[in-house]
Amino acid sequence: GEDVEQSLFLSVREGDSSVINCTYTDSSSTYLYWYKQEPGAGLQLLTYIFSNMDMKQDQRLTVLLNKKDKHLSLRIADTQTGDSAIYFCAESKGDYKLSFGAGTTVTVRA
Amino acid sequence: DVKVTQSSRYLVKRTGEKVFLECVQDMDHENMFWYRQDPGLGLRLIYFSYDVKMKEKGDIPEGYSVSREKKERFSLILESASTNQTSMYLCASSLATGVYGYTFGSGTRLTVV
Repeated sequence: GEDVEQSLFLSVREGDSSVINCTYTDSSSTYLYWYKQEPGAGLQLLTYIFSNMDMKQDQRLTVLLNKKDKHLSLRIADTQTGDSAIYFCAESKGDYKLSFGAGTTVTVRA
Repeated sequence: DVKVTQSSRYLVKRTGEKVFLECVQDMDHENMFWYRQDPGLGLRLIYFSYDVKMKEKGDIPEGYSVSREKKERFSLILESASTNQTSMYLCASSLATGVYGYTFGSGTRLTVV
């Protein structure tokens, strides 16, 4: 099965908060990441969290990590149309490999 | 600004053709990766390389090979293209994981007809 799982779709109204959830299986993962993919483009690193942290905030983005449940979430405050994209959760595997989820397609509606 | 460049954005090839996808990075990264991306399946690792002339199979290597003769260039080869290899192909590179994760190229959308 998948190492990293995420729901496939999320629809949110402009101005509301978006929450994208992810579960992972490797408790030894040192870093967990969120990537954003806009239409027709590659993936861009949005943010990361170190495994000994519970929360990280970066402007409109808040990452929450629950190590006990192996649950990671990304909250986007005041969601804008430019936030429409596919968001990938990823966990580090050893020194240089990442394992990605299937991606959550976020659609922002007016 | 660090860059990973994939030589083609769009490619159309015929079944049975040998196809080369090229990827170049300018960051002196040791590690390079090839993924394919399909709707609902996310990113699946085809091959990766952690040094010049070194390669390791990923999760779905069948029907593909790779070449890394120079540190900055990692090529993906479809020996005999088939329609089920129609996909988006993404190249990435990294020093190591950690705060930088991977840097991705813009992708090559390959259609095999």
